[in-house]
Amino acid sequence: AQRVTQPEKLLSVFKGAPVELKCNYSYSGSPELFWYVQYSRQRLQLLLRHISRESIKGFTADLNKGETSFHLKKPFAQEEDSAMYYCALSGEVNDMRFGAGTRLTVKP
Amino acid sequence: NAGVTQTPKFRVLKTGQSMTLLCAQDMNHEYMYWYRQDPGMGLRLIHYSVGEGTTAKGEVPDGYNVSRLKKQNFLLGLESAAPSQTSVYFCASRRSGAGAGELFFGEGSRLTVL
Repeated sequence: AQRVTQPEKLLSVFKGAPVELKCNYSYSGSPELFWYVQYSRQRLQLLLRHISRESIKGFTADLNKGETSFHLKKPFAQEEDSAMYYCALSGEVNDMRFGAGTRLTVKP
Repeated sequence: NAGVTQTPKFRVLKTGQSMTLLCAQDMNHEYMYWYRQDPGMGLRLIHYSVGEGTTAKGEVPDGYNVSRLKKQNFLLGLESAAPSQTSVYFCASRRSGAGAGELFFGEGSRLTVL
């Protein structure tokens, strides 16, 4: 069965500091991996997906199949990045499983 | 464009009562999902559907039933509510096909079972 692990429930950094939100997964097939974000009082929304290899709002994430990881990174955190971040995996039966989430707080 | 709409947004039930949450999407998406969100546990998949008339169990299906009689609607039912089902419920949808990608979420439905 697929599993997504986000080891940090809470993460706090100062504005301008680098930030890395960790995500590890277990899946025997070829997964699709995503990062979703939930800002205060807003709907959950897609931040980025591994197949597009893009940078959104300064965030990037690289799929490391050897380490089964998909960590989210940003070199300089901003206060508006404070939110709940979820890593998600879509398997070959098209279910979408989420990790427990990491609440990021960026302090001024 | 409404996207994904959930009703009701709030509901308080007594233990043993039944209720149905409705999810409607206007994007002609094939796939629809129901999740529950609990502190420290993230989003857990309850049931999902890959097309009209089909449903499948997710991670935490016990105590819930679903139906997808119309492509645009996905109903989540609680036959006999329990306090452990107090949660925020999210519906989501996405298109089918290779690299189907992004889930579109509803605003959530907060359910309290006393």
